[in-house]
Amino acid sequence: SQQGEEDPQALSIQEGENATMNCSYKTSINNLQWYRQNSGRGLVHLILIRSNEREKHSGRLRVTLDTSKKSSSLLITASRAADTASYFCATDQTASKLTFGTGTRLQVTL
Amino acid sequence: EPEVTQTPSHQVTQMGQEVILRCVPISNHLYFYWYRQILGQKVEFLVSFYNNEISEKSEIFDDQFSVERPDGSNFTLKIRSTKLEDSAMYFCASSGSLFFLGGNTEAFFGQGTRLTVV
Repeated sequence: SQQGEEDPQALSIQEGENATMNCSYKTSINNLQWYRQNSGRGLVHLILIRSNEREKHSGRLRVTLDTSKKSSSLLITASRAADTASYFCATDQTASKLTFGTGTRLQVTL
Repeated sequence: EPEVTQTPSHQVTQMGQEVILRCVPISNHLYFYWYRQILGQKVEFLVSFYNNEISEKSEIFDDQFSVERPDGSNFTLKIRSTKLEDSAMYFCASSGSLFFLGGNTEAFFGQGTRLTVV
């Protein structure tokens, strides 16, 4: 697998449900960042978790990091139609380079 | 809230022409980056820039590409002779610190420039 692979590739849920996306990576990291991208638009920074952190919250977002398994998860609680977007994890493969995953396309329906 | 701004939002150019994509990073950031995303594909790293020189570049960033910080605010990506396969969304980003250091290591991205080479 490549550095930074998300699963599932696509996720469809109903408004109000929780959405969980996972990211796996191969090399050791210092930080892992999650981004959102609306179709054809820019990358919006959501949250950063450091390698010495296990869990972090920001509003309806909860991110976990398991460095022993080289994986992270992003949980969006009480999803809204406006959460419909692609979500990417990005790892710092070097000091000055982020490597992005393949992304999870989230569709939240009313 | 401070943000990274990119211009133009769309650029159509003929194959072989030179293009310059412009970016204004967040003002107190010191590290600058260019990424690109071919339609439907992953976001790919092109180059990082610090202290007026390239810190790191990818295999994609060949001699056709160059970056410059011509003044205290702008950061540009130049493609000297565009090819059809250069068609992509180009993102500029900036961060306050290197990713291996503590502190302000979040990378913030602009809205992108959609480059179409015809």
